[in-house]
Amino acid sequence: SQQGEEDPQALSIQEGENATMNCSYKTSINNLQWYRQNSGRGLVHLILIRSNEREKHSGRLRVTLDTSKKSSSLLITASRAADTASYFCATPTGNQFYFGTGTSLTVIP
Amino acid sequence: GAVVSQHPSRVICKSGTSVKIECRSLDFQATTMFWYRQFPKKSLMLMATSNEGSKATYEQGVEKDKFLINHASLTLSTLTVTSAHPEDSSFYICSAGAGTANYGYTFGSGTRLTVV
Repeated sequence: SQQGEEDPQALSIQEGENATMNCSYKTSINNLQWYRQNSGRGLVHLILIRSNEREKHSGRLRVTLDTSKKSSSLLITASRAADTASYFCATPTGNQFYFGTGTSLTVIP
Repeated sequence: GAVVSQHPSRVICKSGTSVKIECRSLDFQATTMFWYRQFPKKSLMLMATSNEGSKATYEQGVEKDKFLINHASLTLSTLTVTSAHPEDSSFYICSAGAGTANYGYTFGSGTRLTVV
């Protein structure tokens, strides 16, 4: 399977703390993307990092990519209760997407 | 920005009936659409890739005769779950794009299918 894995599967933190989640993948990639999904809803594209980039920022999000280890991390700083959701990494392979297993983040107010 | 509309958002059907789910790109032409299935607390599993004007490409283990995909126009793809069984109950999500996956795709809001 080309599906990646995310770690941890579930994460619970207090509001204001930082949340870090990791993603490992199996194939060579041109880019890696992070998505957010609120319970029972569709996906929202958060950020895309290309294979020649090591770090990327977007607001309170920071994404790193280590192609030698085939891994990426997503850091959410100063978390808010509204950040509670599932977060997935996705790796495009050709014309298709393969999603990681996801991290369920709960931010406690 | 690019918007993908998925309809219906929820559907309940009886075992043995067929259900059609629509995925529309509202403000762009989508040469490729993807259909995903998601079980509770699980990741999304790619079911098939739908290309406008040609047959869909199904992932291994997905029954093409059960999950019929039609991509008849550049703005519409449909997934029909035929002879639905309770085990087909799931959350189905489509995504659409005009280019390769390298630029990101837009996702629909999903359809919750419950087969009773």
